[in-house]
Amino acid sequence: AQSVTQPDIHITVSEGASLELRCNYSYGATPYLFWYVQSPGQGLQLLLKYFSGDTLVQGIKGFEAEFKRSQSSFNLRKPSVHWSDAAEYFCAVDSPSGSARQLTFGSGTQLTVLP
Amino acid sequence: EAQVTQNPRYLITVTGKKLTVTCSQNMNHEYMSWYRQDPGLGLRQIYYSMNVEVTDKGDVPEGYKVSRKEKRNFPLILESPSPNQTSLYFCASSLSGIVRTGVTGELFFGEGSRLTVL
Repeated sequence: AQSVTQPDIHITVSEGASLELRCNYSYGATPYLFWYVQSPGQGLQLLLKYFSGDTLVQGIKGFEAEFKRSQSSFNLRKPSVHWSDAAEYFCAVDSPSGSARQLTFGSGTQLTVLP
Repeated sequence: EAQVTQNPRYLITVTGKKLTVTCSQNMNHEYMSWYRQDPGLGLRQIYYSMNVEVTDKGDVPEGYKVSRKEKRNFPLILESPSPNQTSLYFCASSLSGIVRTGVTGELFFGEGSRLTVL
């Protein structure tokens, strides 16, 4: 079965600094990968997704992620963090069947942004 | 506005008192699902529905029931809540239950329902 690991439970960065959130997956084939963001008091919102093709994908709010098959990683990055980026971030991977029922989420990384 | 609406957003109840958390979406989505979110565990799927009258268990279905009588509604029922069901619950929907269909596989989430069972 597929699995997702987010090694960092909590990350703190200063506003304006760069950000990288790590995501590692375990999967037997070519995965479809996602990053979701959960702002305080809100539901999850899709930031970006990787299906195929270019391994660097752009998302909303200035985020990007790079798929590295050799490292089984799909790390999320942002060049300059804004205070409004403080939220919890979830990486997710689908299953070989492609069913949403079997979408697996990581345990999340809480991002704190210092002024 | 396209949205998934959950009610109530916050609820404190006592052990054994039946409760229902409603979920409604206005996007004509076929697929709907319930998750619970607990610290350190991420999101775990409780039940899902590929379409009207079609529901199935997710990873943690014990103690929960669901129904899908209409396309837009997918209520979560706790017949006899227990303290281990204290959690943050999310309803989600997508146009298609197949993630790999691209945009139609994107999940849309409600704002969450925080449930405390004493």
